[in-house]
Amino acid sequence: DQQVKQNSPSLSVQEGRISILNCDYTNSMFDYFLWYKKYPAEGPTFLISISSIKDKNEDGRFTVFLNKSAKHLSLHIVPSQPGDSAVYFCAASGNYGGATNKLIFGTGTLLAVQP
Amino acid sequence: NAGVTQTPKFRILKIGQSMTLQCTQDMNHNYMYWYRQDPGMGLKLIYYSVGAGITDKGEVPNGYNVSRSTTEDFPLRLELAAPSQTSVYFCASSYSSLNSGNTIYFGEGSWLTVV
Repeated sequence: DQQVKQNSPSLSVQEGRISILNCDYTNSMFDYFLWYKKYPAEGPTFLISISSIKDKNEDGRFTVFLNKSAKHLSLHIVPSQPGDSAVYFCAASGNYGGATNKLIFGTGTLLAVQP
Repeated sequence: NAGVTQTPKFRILKIGQSMTLQCTQDMNHNYMYWYRQDPGMGLKLIYYSVGAGITDKGEVPNGYNVSRSTTEDFPLRLELAAPSQTSVYFCASSYSSLNSGNTIYFGEGSWLTVV
């Protein structure tokens, strides 16, 4: 069963516009969420995170929103730049039964920012 | 600043062969992980370790073994390679458990093909 879901395999946006990447989760025990960015032939790199005690976290052009009641989070990138073109993974962990040691990943969304 | 280093980068194995993927980190992190990523899928946790001498299974441990004799090194062993183990393997590390404020740092990946 896929506990973390990214239902959009790909997204294409114009440079300068907003990119919105979505993520849904099913496990209510998750309390920490992260977004990773991955370029081809490289390892994922950490982008931004949010704890379940917050509903928004912002870092420069990147903002993550968390809706706990809907078990949904989203990553907003504004303005989008061609260098943002990559695969974005949503990941979650939880403070239960050793789960703080594990990240559960979604399947990723390929973002293409068109110049 | 090396971070997490994996070797080899690429390897082709024949069915039934054995090999070890090496991983070392120089950040003095206590926790280390092995993930695999199949095409179109998210990263799946194979094994993890919370410190030297301690290892535990992740989501997909079958067909693999690990050891953690030092803080720096976390090798992944494939004993009898099977085509289902064709994947990209990522080693990662974190200072402590994955609650708020922590993240994991990934190596660049090892591409393994079993034929």
